[in-house]
Amino acid sequence: EIVLTQSPATLSLSPGERATLSCRASQSVSSYLAWYQQKPGQAPRLLIYDASNRATGIPARFSGSGSGTDFTLTISSLEPEDFAVYYCQQRSNSDTFGQGTKLEIK
Amino acid sequence: EVQLVESGGVVVQPGGSLRLSCAASGFTFDDYTMHWVRQAPGKGLEWVSLISWDGGSTYYADSVKGRFTISRDNSKNSLYLQMNSLRTEDTALYYCAKDMEQQLVGYYFDYWGQGTLVTVSS
Repeated sequence: EIVLTQSPATLSLSPGERATLSCRASQSVSSYLAWYQQKPGQAPRLLIYDASNRATGIPARFSGSGSGTDFTLTISSLEPEDFAVYYCQQRSNSDTFGQGTKLEIK
Repeated sequence: EVQLVESGGVVVQPGGSLRLSCAASGFTFDDYTMHWVRQAPGKGLEWVSLISWDGGSTYYADSVKGRFTISRDNSKNSLYLQMNSLRTEDTALYYCAKDMEQQLVGYYFDYWGQGTLVTVSS
């Protein structure tokens, strides 16, 4: 089973700042990685797929990069609605999620 | 508008059985692989199972293999999860999710329901 490790566990930033979230895979997943956003009491929302492609309707401030084992989700300038939990997910070998990064308001 | 509405979650004793349902609308149901993903209270996401668009292929997480059965009725635009031999660790919010890719098993989930809560407790 491929294990995804997200860091940091919690990220405290202010609106307008840049957020950088990391996801590391225990073995190569090529570019088969997605990012999801989950707000309290809501279902997850697909943000990025295949490492760098924005899903339909996702603002341009969200971007993804990486391949192989190291991936990054970047939010260029945080809006108040961006504070949430973010999960990475790989589809290279079966399917697994990372444990999540909580992005909180500083 | 794509809608996925789960139902069937209740409190059940360990060893018991339960059947979850997901009613889909707003897209051509029989063109898409469907998934169940669960989330234990306060925890992260865990993929549970998938069924291909035509029902011909099913896959399960090791944690539920042999106990859960996924199925679908394309004539009713419905997805199901039969859960047997339930354990306390199966307690979770169960989401129905649509695969992003048409007539492929893509594993990315572009639409999710709001979930149905299964509690396994004596």
